[in-house]
Amino acid sequence: EPEVTQTPSHQVTQMGQEVILRCVPISNHLYFYWYRQILGQKVEFLVSFYNNEISEKSEIFDDQFSVERPDGSNFTLKIRSTKLEDSAMYFCASSRRTYRMEQYFGPGTRLTVT
Amino acid sequence: KNEVEQSPQNLTAQEGEFITINCSYSVGISALHWLQQHPGGGIVSLFMLSSGKKKHGRLIATINIQEKHSSLHITASHPRDSAVYICAAEPGGGADGLTFGKGTHLIIQP
Repeated sequence: EPEVTQTPSHQVTQMGQEVILRCVPISNHLYFYWYRQILGQKVEFLVSFYNNEISEKSEIFDDQFSVERPDGSNFTLKIRSTKLEDSAMYFCASSRRTYRMEQYFGPGTRLTVT
Repeated sequence: KNEVEQSPQNLTAQEGEFITINCSYSVGISALHWLQQHPGGGIVSLFMLSSGKKKHGRLIATINIQEKHSSLHITASHPRDSAVYICAAEPGGGADGLTFGKGTHLIIQP
């Protein structure tokens, strides 16, 4: 069964460094999402992406964040200058369409900023 | 902004018991998603529903649009059902980011 994959599974970085989290969505899906979950808290929406542009973004997704689909398979989340409060689990998800459609989640990347 | 509330936050039950987890939301939505999160962190979609009721194996999800309320039921619960169950609201109006509840931590004891 097709699945969403994410790399790395765990990333440790120093404050101020740039990180790129990678995701490979399910191949025939057209909508891509990033969510984050700070330890012990609820999952939060960051951004959605469709047709090579951002469809929607939350208040969390400020200028420090960017997303890109550099080729036909990868979907990346970049954090330009990491802060301690960026430490969280980051989940990528994809769906065939938006609106009343199941989203398939990747296993997550645990980002630790020291 | 939609507020999604779940109850209970924690639930411990004996194997075989009938489980109910509740979810309410404050603003009208296009669909309600139920998800399962295992201790390793991975999230699996269980149901997406916009009206009525859906059943998959021992899991049943219902939604009452007028009352802005949904329930997830587990029949004949089993220790392998132990996980965090999360409801998430899908907004209408073209927006597509889900708004998540805090989750219900379910433990089924043998």
